[in-house]
Amino acid sequence: DAKTTQPNSMESNEEEPVHLPCNHSTISGTDYIHWYRQLPSQGPEYVIHGLTSNVNNRMASLAIAEDRKSSTLILHRATLRDAAVYYCILTTSGSRLTFGEGTQLTVNP
Amino acid sequence: EPEVTQTPSHQVTQMGQEVILRCVPISNHLYFYWYRQILGQKVEFLVSFYNNEISEKSEIFDDQFSVERPDGSNFTLKIRSTKLEDSAMYFCASRLGQALGGYTFGSGTRLTVV
Repeated sequence: DAKTTQPNSMESNEEEPVHLPCNHSTISGTDYIHWYRQLPSQGPEYVIHGLTSNVNNRMASLAIAEDRKSSTLILHRATLRDAAVYYCILTTSGSRLTFGEGTQLTVNP
Repeated sequence: EPEVTQTPSHQVTQMGQEVILRCVPISNHLYFYWYRQILGQKVEFLVSFYNNEISEKSEIFDDQFSVERPDGSNFTLKIRSTKLEDSAMYFCASRLGQALGGYTFGSGTRLTVV
């Protein structure tokens, strides 16, 4: 599996935007970029995914660099409920998800 | 919003006993998975299942583990003879199809082997 690199932790203030970076310099042409988050004592939760173009959904936006070697998950207005571990994962269609350590996001009131 | 349902939420079993963890994936999904997370560690892939057969499995998924889709709705993980190191959260996940949306995870079964 191609590897991703994320900061161990980030902090944000409530109601401010959060930009969570992910580097994936060895991404292949068939790799999709997936983002999941895991709240304490819960299962992983799908956030967003994309291949080449930027994507928006009700939870977040995904900005993908033109060379696809990095991406950024954008939470437009952080809430306390967004405090979680965020995982950036590369996967080809239908295959396993390989979870790394992720980024622990702390949201301050 | 459709959910993946797992039962029981917590299972305590004695070492050496068989245990079956149950999952009801989202009804129109075609791909099914089991993952586990030992306390304080990463989420680890165990097995994927498609078209009534295992499509991929990890090195963790040895002969003690098996999966089954006995009917059109349930997806089960059986551990034949549990060990202390099998204690973990077990997550079931399902997916509609290739490149179609993300994986939906259940809330997990906490397995404690004593």
